[in-house]
Amino acid sequence: DIVMTQTPLSSPVTLGQPASISCRSSQSLVHSDGNTYLSWLQQRPGQPPRLLIYKISNRFSGVPDRFSGSGAGTDFTLKISRVEAEDVGVYYCMEATQFPGTFGGGTKVEIK
Amino acid sequence: EVQLVESGGGLVQPGGSLRLSCAASGFTFSNYWMSWVRQAPGKGLEWVANIKPDGSEKNYVDSVKGRFTISRDNAEMSLYLQMNSLKAEDTAVYYCARRIVSIRSFDYWGQGTLVTVSS
Repeated sequence: DIVMTQTPLSSPVTLGQPASISCRSSQSLVHSDGNTYLSWLQQRPGQPPRLLIYKISNRFSGVPDRFSGSGAGTDFTLKISRVEAEDVGVYYCMEATQFPGTFGGGTKVEIK
Repeated sequence: EVQLVESGGGLVQPGGSLRLSCAASGFTFSNYWMSWVRQAPGKGLEWVANIKPDGSEKNYVDSVKGRFTISRDNAEMSLYLQMNSLKAEDTAVYYCARRIVSIRSFDYWGQGTLVTVSS
């Protein structure tokens, strides 16, 4: 089974400053169809998860452009260009190259 | 507007049973894979089960195989999770989520329903 490891566990950020979250998989997430099925989800306090990014770098409908995803193979990054108060929450990476998928442990983004 | 509304959670004793429901609206339910994903208190996310649009294929995480059954009623636009032989480690918020095959991710989630297994 693929293991997804996120770092850091917690990221205190000043409002307006950037934030970066890393996600590493135990094996390559490149599928035999050529796609890499790596998503990022946001979970605000008391809310269900919300899809932000799919297939490494594609923003889902309605997601602000301050969110961006990058990476390849086994190393992936979610960046928030300028953190806003509404960005507080836990962020999860999720691989689905191997059906049905595995979530990372989560990274908590909080305001300093 | 896509909406998923779960119900059926509650307190149940170890070894007991519970049936969760998820009412869908705002999209053609019969065209989509659907999933249950759970989150233990203070913990991360864990996929539990998937079901194909026509119900002909079902998949489960190993820890629930033989105890949980996912099903759907496309005419009623509803998803279900029958949970038997419940254990303390099944305690979690259970989310209903729509799965998009082309991107292999979950694009819409319900608010969740809490299942507590305790004596």
